[in-house]
Amino acid sequence: QSVLTQPPSVSAAPGQRVTISCSGSTSNIGNNYVSWYQQLPGTAPKLLIYEDNMRSSGVPDRFSGSKSGTSATLGITGLQTGDEADYYCGTWDRNSIWVFGGGTKVTVL
Amino acid sequence: QLMESGGGVVQPGTSLRLSCAASGFTFSTFGMHWVRQAPGRALEWVAFMTNSGDKYYADSVNGRFTIARDNSKNTLYLQMGRLRVDDTSVYYCATDGAHRDIDHWGQGTLVTVSS
Repeated sequence: QSVLTQPPSVSAAPGQRVTISCSGSTSNIGNNYVSWYQQLPGTAPKLLIYEDNMRSSGVPDRFSGSKSGTSATLGITGLQTGDEADYYCGTWDRNSIWVFGGGTKVTVL
Repeated sequence: QLMESGGGVVQPGTSLRLSCAASGFTFSTFGMHWVRQAPGRALEWVAFMTNSGDKYYADSVNGRFTIARDNSKNTLYLQMGRLRVDDTSVYYCATDGAHRDIDHWGQGTLVTVSS
C-alpha cells in the first residue's frame, strides 16, 4: 500500500487529454515539491516533471503538472500511442523518507 | 551514467551486495538513492545517502540493508542481508536531483530471492 494514492489506470483516445491524480498528506505533498516519472514498458523510470509543474529537459509541453494542498495532478494533452506507460508521483516525506504513488497505467484506446 | 551490477538468484536468509558505478558527473557531490520494483508492481523507495554520508531507509529494509558509497571509486553500494522472497525486485540506483527530486536512473539489476 503506497503512501501516495493514484488511480490504477486511465485511458483515452489519441489526441484526447488525460489527468492523473496523486493524493497525499501534509507530511509529504502538502509541504514538499512533487515530481512525476514516466516508465515505458521494460525500461527504467524517467523524470518528467519536477517542483510540481516544471518539465524536465526534453519533455514536450503536452505534459503538465499542478498541485493544490495535499494533491497533485499530471496532465497529458494530445495523447499519443508513445505515451502508453506507467506514471508515478513522488515526493519527500518526514524524516527524509521518499515516497511514491502506486502508479497509473495510461492506455491509448 | 549509472550502471548497476551484482544482481542474481539467492536463497532466503542470505546476503548480496549490489553496486552502482557512476560516470559523467561529480559523484561525490550528489546524494544517491536505491529504488526497487517487484515484478508487475509499483516503484518502492529503498534507501538514500546524502553526499555528506547521512543514511535513510524504508521501514521494510531498515536493519537488513545498508547503503554505502566509495567516492574514490565513484560507486554506490547496497548491502542486503537476511533476504526474503518479497525482496525480489529490479533494483535501480538514481541520483538525488537539485530540485528535490530523483532525476537520473540506472537501468537496474534483478535480484531474485528463491529457495
